[in-house]
Parts: sequence; C-alpha cells; structure tokens
Amino acid sequence: AQTVTQSQPEMSVQEAETVTLSCTYDTSESDYYLFWYKQPPSRQMILVIRQEAYKQQNATENRFSVNFQKAAKSFSLKISDSQLGDAAMYFCAYRSGLSNFGNEKLTFGTGTRLTIIP
Amino acid sequence: GAVVSQHPSWVICKSGTSVKIECRSLDFQATTMFWYRQFPKQSLMLMATSNEGSKATYEQGVEKDKFLINHASLTLSTLTVTSAHPEDSSFYICSAARAAAGRGGQFFGPGTRLTVL
Repeated sequence: AQTVTQSQPEMSVQEAETVTLSCTYDTSESDYYLFWYKQPPSRQMILVIRQEAYKQQNATENRFSVNFQKAAKSFSLKISDSQLGDAAMYFCAYRSGLSNFGNEKLTFGTGTRLTIIP
Repeated sequence: GAVVSQHPSWVICKSGTSVKIECRSLDFQATTMFWYRQFPKQSLMLMATSNEGSKATYEQGVEKDKFLINHASLTLSTLTVTSAHPEDSSFYICSAARAAAGRGGQFFGPGTRLTVL
C-alpha cells in the first residue's frame, strides 16, 4: 500500500517570502501521480498542482512549483511571493497511474497548516 | 468546468435518524465518485468508492450497512448515514472523477458538515 508523509504539521512564512512544504511517499509503482491540494477555512479542496511521475520536469503553476525527486520519493511544494490568501491546510496526495480515467483513489498525507504573517 | 456540488452543506439531526447527502457533478459525467470523511484538523479518510450502476467499494473498517452509497447516474451519488449517532458527526466530502483523454482528475465538492445530537 502507498503511504504519504508530511512531516511538518505547521509552517509559517512572512508575506511576500518563499516557503517550502515537504512531502515524501512510499510506493512500489513506477507510474503514478502526485498532487498538492489546498484546503482554506471554507474547507473546499482546491487542486494546486499535479505532477506525473513519468515527467522529469517539475510542474509549475504561477507562484507554485514542486521539487519532484523520484528516486528519493520526495515531492515538495514551493510557494513564492506568499500572499495572505495562501493561508490554508495543504495536503500532499498520491494516485496510482494504473487508470487513465482519473478514477483511482487518492491517498492523502496528514497535512501542513500554513500561516501567512502580514 | 469540473464543478461538484454537495447538498446539504450542513445538517443537524437527532440520534437514530438517517441523513442523506447528495453529490452532483454539474458539468461533467463522473463514472466514479469518492466519499471522504474528515475530522477536525485531520486529513481526509476515504470511506468508499462509488461506481455508476454498481455496488460501492468500501474501505476497511467502514460499515457498509451504516453508510449506504448509491450512484444512480453519471452525475449523482448519494451517501446515507443510517441510524446516525453522535460519533458520526463529521465533515463529509465527495469527489468526482472526470474521465478525459489522456489523464483525468478528481474534483471535490464543498463538503457537508453533519452534527448528530
């Protein structure tokens, strides 16, 4: 079974600064997907970024980027120019790549609560 | 696109009653939907996987007779908490998987807060 570990229960960062959230995972599969989801106080889960394991290039979405180290099974999220609206719980998630249709279940980490200091 | 709704957004019920929560994919067809439970300050725990037209697959430790799931159409899945008790109070979240050429994805509903008195 796959496991996802987030070792930082809480993180804080000054507004406009950069912060990195850590995530490691364990799997024996070679084809899989990794995700970062954001859950603000509204509790709506929002997809921040996704990474396909077969891609060597790290995914980026505006101020969000990942450092995907497949051999080390590490998948960290970097948030640049942090904004007050970035304050939320951030969950790292794993999905098997066995299916092409998005219907494989997600395995979530325990989350990191990010606080933005004005 | 890829909007998922849940209804109700919150519900309070008496112990022993049943509560139904609906999950709808509004602008796409979802052959598979997932139901999660989230306790305060904790992660999402998968309860079951719901496939249209077939029986749901429950995760280990989840009582299938207590948490009834029906996926009657490609846009609707329902979770019924039967004979609810205070320990069933939680935040329930559904997600819908959208099939797409290449790789699809899961999209989450806004969640339903259940409080059992």
